[in-house]
Amino acid sequence: DAKTTQPPSMDCAEGRAANLPCNHSTISGNEYVYWYRQIHSQGPQYIIHGLKNNETNEMASLIITEDRKSSTLILPHATLRDTAVYYCIVSDSNTGTASKLTFGTGTRLQVTL
Amino acid sequence: ETGVTQSPTHLIKTRGQQVTLRCSSQSGHNTVSWYQQALGQGPQFIFQYYREEENGRGNFPPRFSGLQFPNYSSELNVNALELDDSALYLCASSRQGRVGEKLFFGSGTQLSVL
Repeated sequence: DAKTTQPPSMDCAEGRAANLPCNHSTISGNEYVYWYRQIHSQGPQYIIHGLKNNETNEMASLIITEDRKSSTLILPHATLRDTAVYYCIVSDSNTGTASKLTFGTGTRLQVTL
Repeated sequence: ETGVTQSPTHLIKTRGQQVTLRCSSQSGHNTVSWYQQALGQGPQFIFQYYREEENGRGNFPPRFSGLQFPNYSSELNVNALELDDSALYLCASSRQGRVGEKLFFGSGTQLSVL
C-alpha cells in the first residue's frame, strides 16, 4: 500500500470548515483513498473514500487532485464532536485482503470554541 | 442492524499467559479483521478472516492466532504474552468482495500485560 503523509495536528474553530490535507505521491492507479477518524477511546469510524473523483456524503467532502498525489478532507462546519485523530489511508480494495488498512499516525484535529 | 461488539472491554494478564478476545461482526458482514493499536500509534493490521479461514496477515508472530465461526464471529488468541502486547485490540467487520468496501470497527479490548 502507498504511504501517506499528514500533518500531526491542526486546530479549527467551531462552525468553520476544517480542511485536512494528505499527501500520497506513490499512489497507484487501483488504490482508493480512505479517511477514517478515531475519537478518544473508540474504534476508528469510516468517513469517506474515493478513487479519482471528488466525493461528498453526509459527513464530509473528499477532494482528490487530478494527479491523485494528494487529497483534502473537508468537514464543512466543524463541531466539538469532530475533535479526533483523522487517518488518511490508501488501499487496493480489489485484493483479497481488502480489510488490510495501513494506518499512519494521522492528524489530531482539535475543534475549539 | 447491530454493530461490531467486542468482549471483554478491559483485561489484565501477566507475562507468559494466554488470552482470548472475542468479536461479533456487524449483521450481514462475513469478513473480520483484527488490529493492534499501541498507545499513541495508529492501528496495525494483524490478520483477516473470511469464510472461516485466515486470508491475509500482517507482520505478527505465530503466537497471534485466530478463529472465525460459521456465524462470522471471531476470536483472537495470543499465547505467551509479552509486555509489548499491551495495547488496544480492535476488531472490524466488512462485506468481502465489494469494491470500495469500508470497515466497521468495534470499540476494542484494552489489554494490559504486567
